[in-house]
Amino acid sequence: AQKVTQAQTEISVVEKEDVTLDCVYETRDTTYYLFWYKQPPSGELVFLIRRNSFDEQNEISGRYSWNFQKSTSSFNFTITASQVVDSAVYFCALSGLLDTGRRALTFGSGTRLQVQP
Amino acid sequence: SQTIHQWPATLVQPVGSPLSLECTVEGTSNPNLYWYRQAAGRGLQLLFYSVGIGQISSEVPQNLSASRPQDRQFILSSKKLLLSDSGFYLCAWSSDRGGPEDTEAFFGQGTRLTVV
Repeated sequence: AQKVTQAQTEISVVEKEDVTLDCVYETRDTTYYLFWYKQPPSGELVFLIRRNSFDEQNEISGRYSWNFQKSTSSFNFTITASQVVDSAVYFCALSGLLDTGRRALTFGSGTRLQVQP
Repeated sequence: SQTIHQWPATLVQPVGSPLSLECTVEGTSNPNLYWYRQAAGRGLQLLFYSVGIGQISSEVPQNLSASRPQDRQFILSSKKLLLSDSGFYLCAWSSDRGGPEDTEAFFGQGTRLTVV
């Protein structure tokens, strides 16, 4: 079985603050993939990043950065200099083998980020 | 390029009525297909997945069923809706080529279902 935990239910920051969204996962797979998705108020899921379990190099994309630490089973997401448009629900997800032997995404419960002007 | 269509966008149905949500994928063949549900304020829960026509696996026991009558069509159904079926339903697809790209899922726009 696999599990993704996003302990922060809701975070509120003021524009231009940095914010880190936490994600901790559990899996018995040796090969797996981790994702972050953004869900704006309109509801669709927007893919942000995918990392595989063999690549622990941190990644930066503009104001977004991701810190993958296999030793602590964490894949945290940091937004630098947050903007109002960053307000959304952010989901961390894990692609690994289900008990049925099939591979599918398991999502965390999401973190709602509100960026105040 | 691949696209995924899901409809309707919103739906209000009375308790006990039937349900049919449809999802189609274009631009790819033999995709893996998924139905997820997001209850209010909750994460996404995998309901069903399909690796081929007529092949459906259910992840959680529930009042819903799924069918895949064609390679790129995935349908979510219920004979009698319950209040607890309210939520945001997302269809998704992933490739099945045996590589790391299989792990990424692409989502439809979602259907917001309210059972009254």
